[in-house]
Amino acid sequence: DSGVTQTPKHLITATGQRVTLRCSPRSGDLSVYWYQQSLDQGLQFLIQYYNGEERAKGNILERFSAQQFPDLHSELNLSSLELGDSALYFCASSVSTLDGNTIYFGEGSWLTVV
Amino acid sequence: AQTVTQSQPEMSVQEAETVTLSCTYDTSESDYYLFWYKQPPSRQMILVIRQEAYKQQNATENRFSVNFQKAAKSFSLKISDSQLGDAAMYFCAYSSNNNDMRFGAGTRLTVKP
Repeated sequence: DSGVTQTPKHLITATGQRVTLRCSPRSGDLSVYWYQQSLDQGLQFLIQYYNGEERAKGNILERFSAQQFPDLHSELNLSSLELGDSALYFCASSVSTLDGNTIYFGEGSWLTVV
Repeated sequence: AQTVTQSQPEMSVQEAETVTLSCTYDTSESDYYLFWYKQPPSRQMILVIRQEAYKQQNATENRFSVNFQKAAKSFSLKISDSQLGDAAMYFCAYSSNNNDMRFGAGTRLTVKP
C-alpha cells in the first residue's frame, strides 16, 4: 500500500459526460501528479500541483482540469468525454526533493467511456 | 525537454537467469534522479530502485541493481536470479528539481519457467 488513495477505482460513463477523479496523497506529501495510461501505453504526464499551486503541465487536454485543495487532496475533472479518454488515470504524490523526488502511485482509476 | 528512451519493447528471460533492461535519457541538468518502476498485470506502479545522479555508486536493492553511466546518459536495470513474479512492464523514469517525472515507453519482461 503506497498510501495514495484514489476514488473511484472503476467508472463507466457515456460520451459527452463529465467525471471527477479524486486523490488523497500520502500523509505529508505536498506534491500531487496526475498521469494517464491508455491500454498498453506508457504513462502520459498530465499535471502536477505543489501545495495547492500548479507546478507543471504536460499533455493535458483543455477538456481536462485539475486542482489541489488546502487539505492537499486533488481532483481531476474530465469533461465532454470521448471514447479515446478511456484509460487508467493515476495519481501520485511526493514530498518533493526531500525524498529524492520519488513519487508514489495510487492504484489508479479505471475510466471506461462508452 | 527531458526525454527517456527504452529501446527494448519486449524482453524475455529464463527463470533463475539474469536480464538487463536498457534505458537512456537526455538532459542538460547536472542534478537529477533516475528510477525504475515495475507494473505487474494488476497495473499497480511499484518503485523498484532509485539512483541519485550525484552518487557514483550504483544503486542495489536485493536482486535488482543498476548500471548508471552518467556521461553516456545510460541507466540500465539488471535483474538477477529472475523469478516468475518479476514478469511485468518496467518503466524507466527521470526527474529533476525543476521538472516533473517523465517516463519511458516501457519494456515488457516475460519470465519463462
